[in-house]
Amino acid sequence: GNSVTQMEGPVTLSEEAFLTINCTYTATGYPSLFWYVQYPGEGLQLLLKATKADDKGSNKGFEATYRKETTSFHLEKGSVQVSDSAVYFCALINNNNDMRFGAGTRLTVKP
Amino acid sequence: GAVVSQHPSRVICKSGTSVKIECRSLDFQATTMFWYRQFPKQSLMLMATSNEGSKATYEQGVEKDKFLINHASLTLSTLTVTSAHPEDSSFYICSAIQGLGYGYTFGSGTRLTVV
Repeated sequence: GNSVTQMEGPVTLSEEAFLTINCTYTATGYPSLFWYVQYPGEGLQLLLKATKADDKGSNKGFEATYRKETTSFHLEKGSVQVSDSAVYFCALINNNNDMRFGAGTRLTVKP
Repeated sequence: GAVVSQHPSRVICKSGTSVKIECRSLDFQATTMFWYRQFPKQSLMLMATSNEGSKATYEQGVEKDKFLINHASLTLSTLTVTSAHPEDSSFYICSAIQGLGYGYTFGSGTRLTVV
């Protein structure tokens, strides 16, 4: 079946550090891949997405590239800010519109 | 972009009472909506898939009679927690699909506290 595995947290970084949150997936066919962000006490917001191999999704300084050969969609940001502190979820959606989430990775950025 | 409105954002109720949570797609029609439950510091747990005009599909282990779902129109799904108990206290989130390839749009969540 379809599934998503992402790096376990929590992750604690200093401001302006480089961020990588690993995400790998298992799926039949050609899923679309997503990163969602959840700030404290809120629902999930779409951060970025990629719908086919080699696509790069980007938003707010975050990037992730759809790598079919390694079945990965790692999230990166060159310089994190305190305001980036949140929980990040990797997800995939396949032909049947069934979305699968990773377990979430909590990021804390310290000043 | 697509917006999903969820109401209320917070509710406190007494044990034994029922609570209704609404999920509305504001600028698109959603034949399918999803209800999730999230425990502190954990991922989302899919509770049920709400289908407009038909019965909801519940995930294994979710009590249908306790978590009543109604999806009477293309823009509104409701989750009613019946005879609530303190163990039902949680963060409930709904989502809807705008279309193929768009991913899900999430509501802002409802913090339910049963006292």
